Formats: sequence, C-alpha cells, structure tokens
Amino acid sequence: GAGVSQSPSNKVTEKGKDVELRCDPISGHTALYWYRQSLGQGLEFLIYFQGNSAPDKSGLPSDRFSAERTGGSVSTLTIQRTQQEDSAVYLCASSSDSGGTDTQYFGPGTRLTVL
Amino acid sequence: SQQGEEDPQALSIQEGENATMNCSYKTSINNLQWYRQNSGRGLVHLILIRSNEREKHSGRLRVTLDTSKKSSSLLITASRAADTASYFCATATTSGTYKYIFGTGTRLKVLA
Repeated sequence: GAGVSQSPSNKVTEKGKDVELRCDPISGHTALYWYRQSLGQGLEFLIYFQGNSAPDKSGLPSDRFSAERTGGSVSTLTIQRTQQEDSAVYLCASSSDSGGTDTQYFGPGTRLTVL
Repeated sequence: SQQGEEDPQALSIQEGENATMNCSYKTSINNLQWYRQNSGRGLVHLILIRSNEREKHSGRLRVTLDTSKKSSSLLITASRAADTASYFCATATTSGTYKYIFGTGTRLKVLA
C-alpha cells in the first residue's frame, strides 16, 4: 500500500471490554512501532517489532496490553479489560531500518474512547 | 521523564515571520528527527539529522544539532498559515534499543 494504515479509525468501548487495534505497515518495512498519545501530550512508546519478534516491550503500561505481528507485516495491539485511562490515540509507525537510523512513517491512528 | 523536551510549549506568530523551536535531550543519540502533527492524528516526518551533522536544510526548514549541549533547533522561515501544527522532536538513542523517544511538542499557530 501507499502508506501505513490503521483500523478502526475510531473505537468507543465500555470499561472492562477488550479491544483490538490493527496496523498495516508499508510493504517491506521490517520495523514496526506502536505509540500512545493522550490528549495534548507527546507520544509514549509502547512496543517495537523487528520482523515478528518484539525485542523491546518496555513501554507496555500493564499486562493488559499485548501485541503481536504475523508474517512480518500486520500487527495487532490488544487491550484487555479496558480502563478509562486507556483512552488515547494509538499510533503505529513502520520503517525500513531497525537500527534506529531511518525515518518512521506513521499511520493516521486509532482514537480509543473508553466510557 | 521525557528524553526530548521541546521549548516553547506553544508559539503564536504572524504569517511571514520565522518560527524557532528547540529540543533538548538527555542521552547520547544516533540521530534526531523532527515531525509535524496536524489535528492530533498521524505524524509527518520533516527532517532527520545524524549525530555527526551540525546543520541541515530542507526547503523552508533549517535544523541544527549541538551534541555537546544535547539540543536541537528547528527553524521555519517565512511561515504560512498551513504551518500551524504541533512539532515534535524524536531521538534515536545509542543505548542498544531501537525505539524513538518523542518530546512533548511545540504547538505552533501561524496567524494569517
């Protein structure tokens, strides 16, 4: 595809429900990143994938958060038992280089609202 | 705490004026990147400067990097209303992990 895509663009859920957020990176990009951005704040790193493995999960805020990547392409971020403080925009980015030397290309984000 | 912190947090200027934003960071970096974000959604990459570079230009953008002071600046010349956005710096550290640390951003408003 032409760029990074994310779905859904908006998600409203009730507290306690599970949600899945999807990211389709640019074809051929080996590195994939998930970030969270609360209203008016900077980006908070969540997790990084190199291929299908996640060498750095240090940013996941709790064990309710998990992510996987299959086939070196699509990634899913799952939040279990959502809480109101999980409300944020979740951004995905991909890059062709995993060594921290290349540009990240961002998707439009998923706005999650937990009621 | 945030690796990168932008200064000022908010900036309002008239169209045609120059806008300067600063970014400070704490640890050694591989490179530093500036991004623009419109309407709180996806970020657009503006420019990347490597740790061995001191200045870089791209159109109306000029970025400087001072590794001794652990700081960078982004200058937008002859600003336009369309430049209104939030601007973030992101650092790729040399600590062995490949994550980028984003600053808190500068909200720029260009008045027509």
